[in-house]
Amino acid sequence: SQELEQSPQSLIVQEGKNLTINCTSSKTLYGLYWYKQKYGEGLIFLMMLQKGGEEKSHEKITAKLDEKKQQSSLHITASQPSHAGIYLCGAGLLNNNNDMRFGAGTRLTVKP
Amino acid sequence: DADVTQTPRNRITKTGKRIMLECSQTKGHDRMYWYRQDPGLGLQLIYYSFDVKDINKGEISDGYSVSRQAQAKFSLSLESAIPNQTALYFCATSDLGHNEQFFGPGTRLTVL
Repeated sequence: SQELEQSPQSLIVQEGKNLTINCTSSKTLYGLYWYKQKYGEGLIFLMMLQKGGEEKSHEKITAKLDEKKQQSSLHITASQPSHAGIYLCGAGLLNNNNDMRFGAGTRLTVKP
Repeated sequence: DADVTQTPRNRITKTGKRIMLECSQTKGHDRMYWYRQDPGLGLQLIYYSFDVKDINKGEISDGYSVSRQAQAKFSLSLESAIPNQTALYFCATSDLGHNEQFFGPGTRLTVL
């Protein structure tokens, strides 16, 4: 089973709608990273969260870390077609972050 | 110019052939990584290297080998390719003391 579970696996939303993607770890998290991947391309770093309760925003994307629940959420406000792609969470599961694990990804489609 | 480059971008080969995938970076990072991505499984770490003299196995190293020819170059070899090695392969780099990883554009490998 995956050490990092992402939900949903895929999401189709109408342009302008808000959406949330979740990432849950089965182990203690030492740093949580969100990446975006355009289909068939490399990963682009979005945000890193390190402390429980931490929340970061970049343009219309906000990520939060709930350390107690070993979970992070990525929220997109007023989605646009440019937000489409695959969102992956990654986490250091040892306390030195040398051993990274990634979720399977959430495929987001935004309909104009 | 891209900071992390991979060659080739696409490769189709036959079972039993030896294949080398190359990664170069101009970021000056000491740490380099090789991942494979399969649908529904996210990214899995194959090998990683923290400097030219350091090579470490990741979670799925069987059937693969690597060479760190220089700080800027990290190559992945499949000595005898098999069909279940068909995947998208990514190289990544990170800087000492910083956990963010920078990814190359990926190599799509098909083993027939």
